[in-house]
Amino acid sequence: GAGVSQTPSNKVTEKGKYVELRCDPISGHTALYWYRQSLGQGPEFLIYFQGTGAADDSGLPNDRFFAVRPEGSVSTLKIQRTERGDSAVYLCASSPGTITQYFGPGTRLTVL
Amino acid sequence: SQQGEEDPQALSIQEGENATMNCSYKTSINNLQWYRQNSGRGLVHLILIRSNEREKHSGRLRVTLDTSKKSSSLLITASRAADTASYFCATPDYGGSQGNLIFGKGTKLSVKP
Repeated sequence: GAGVSQTPSNKVTEKGKYVELRCDPISGHTALYWYRQSLGQGPEFLIYFQGTGAADDSGLPNDRFFAVRPEGSVSTLKIQRTERGDSAVYLCASSPGTITQYFGPGTRLTVL
Repeated sequence: SQQGEEDPQALSIQEGENATMNCSYKTSINNLQWYRQNSGRGLVHLILIRSNEREKHSGRLRVTLDTSKKSSSLLITASRAADTASYFCATPDYGGSQGNLIFGKGTKLSVKP
């Protein structure tokens, strides 16, 4: 079946701009996670949704970052007033409630 | 914060050789997973080992877990060029919602044909 998809695959933006990154989880997966991965590092947790609600947003670095999952399926990660330090690969994962998470291919964000 | 730390950071071997990667973690866990990542993109789940298991096999993969030493190892036998990737261990974040994972920095494996 279809895996987790993320769009766009690459996003280049200018400092100060607003960006939206989209994640389509595997159908039926109730849990959805966003991670951020900088070069040479492992993924770092940003936010976790169980259904439509954010069960844990403790990983969001500041209030410029926000994520929604209004219908319990697709999720959008929103970054306001982007900074060069936001450049990274943003990974989305979903899970049917088991321990294993299924990752999408990621969105590579570059802030110039 | 990162819970797991993989060792070595980079490993280069010839095709056919075995590759061993180690992971150490800080707090008590009830499971540990290994993931693989090609070219900095999406991660693929390889294997999960629970705290009551000491060793687990999946194809050419062998994972061990030593909860007394808070460490795990991943062994890839008879490596192939296609095994070239970064490998990460991941543990549950009990400080948070228990839904998310904490990853180490990974071991970058290069298998030369």
